[in-house]
Amino acid sequence: GEDVEQSLFLSVREGDSSVINCTYTDSSSTYLYWYKQEPGAGLQLLTYIFSNMDMKQDQRLTVLLNKKDKHLSLRIADTQTGDSAIYFCAEWEGGSYIPTFGRGTSLIVHP
Amino acid sequence: SQTIHQWPATLVQPVGSPLSLECTVEGTSNPNLYWYRQAAGRGLQLLFYSVGIGQISSEVPQNLSASRPQDRQFILSSKKLLLSDSGFYLCAWRTANRGGSYGYTFGSGTRLTVV
Repeated sequence: GEDVEQSLFLSVREGDSSVINCTYTDSSSTYLYWYKQEPGAGLQLLTYIFSNMDMKQDQRLTVLLNKKDKHLSLRIADTQTGDSAIYFCAEWEGGSYIPTFGRGTSLIVHP
Repeated sequence: SQTIHQWPATLVQPVGSPLSLECTVEGTSNPNLYWYRQAAGRGLQLLFYSVGIGQISSEVPQNLSASRPQDRQFILSSKKLLLSDSGFYLCAWRTANRGGSYGYTFGSGTRLTVV
């Protein structure tokens, strides 16, 4: 079945850039998503990229997609302490009702 | 605008007691609805999903059941809770059309502790 892999932890200093990586196996993925979960809260959709795109930028967020290598990354510029959260990568194949989520990457931002 | 409501926010229940968690969506019709559980290890486990009233698909055999009595209402239940049912329960919905740009919208979650 489909699988989405992420590293579990990332620690950065405030003001630096953060890069969270994700790999997936489903070559028919249509959309790829990044969600953010703050402590004790539900997941919030941060951004998404359609599979025919290589890059998407939204303010401090940059998503890069390498479809050949099935690799997705989320770059957060000028990382702030408020960015500390768990970030989930997810992929969705258009014919399915259910996206596949990674296990999440805990981003820890040090002052 | 669309909103999703999930309650209660926290719940402490004794082993063997029943459970009912409710999720409702406003501002949309015929959504796809989902129940997830998130254990301490953080991964999301899909429990149930529904594409219409009375249509429930179970992803994992367990002590829980789900029902969709109305278009925008999704209920997670158990007749007798186990300690292993403790966790963070998340309801989510997505538009039923096949466009994926909206992704999921999640509720704020219910923290269930079975004691």
